Amino acid sequence: DVKVTQSSRYLVKRTGEKVFLECVQDMDHENMFWYRQDPGLGLRLIYFSYDVKMKEKGDIPEGYSVSREKKERFSLILESASTNQTSMYLCASRLAGGYNEQFFGPGTRLTVL
Amino acid sequence: TQLLEQSPQFLSIQEGENLTVYCNSSSVFSSLQWYRQEPGEGPVLLVTVVTGGEVKKLKRLTFQFGDARKDSSLHITAAQPGDTGLYLCPDNNAGNMLTFGGGTRLMVKP
Repeated sequence: DVKVTQSSRYLVKRTGEKVFLECVQDMDHENMFWYRQDPGLGLRLIYFSYDVKMKEKGDIPEGYSVSREKKERFSLILESASTNQTSMYLCASRLAGGYNEQFFGPGTRLTVL
Repeated sequence: TQLLEQSPQFLSIQEGENLTVYCNSSSVFSSLQWYRQEPGEGPVLLVTVVTGGEVKKLKRLTFQFGDARKDSSLHITAAQPGDTGLYLCPDNNAGNMLTFGGGTRLMVKP
């Protein structure tokens, strides 16, 4: 079974802090994704990566950056956290080709005070 | 642009009842996935349907892909409280991306 893990389930940070969210998958998937999920807005794509060292902006990249130095790991960085980045963050991975099935981690609920 | 419409948006039923959730579009899909997301967790892939008219069963869940591959349904027989969650059928016609709508929020009361 595909396993996608995220470094923290719950995180509380202060405004202005730099925040790192880590995601690791163990199935050698090429593609990885970061979403945020807010009530009434569904899942929105922040960034994705087709492969190592590659990254593409999603629908809402402002205030975020990403890093993919190794195939199994995709990091989401909040350079200077703000209260409007309080959200549930979900990482997913996908095998290139196939039927576009994405496998999600358990999520990180981030609160920015 | 959201190509897929899910209905209903909310559904609250008693344990033991049957229900059907729909996913409709004016576009043809090469495949379609259904996910379930329990409160506080990430979405979990339930099934992928590929062939028009295809029916797949997963215990009490029956998934159907429309003949024209423009719509899909999920039928749950004898719903249980453990079926409570958000059911999602994302639009996957944008290359490698999935576009998620609001889904159907199901609550099964004991």
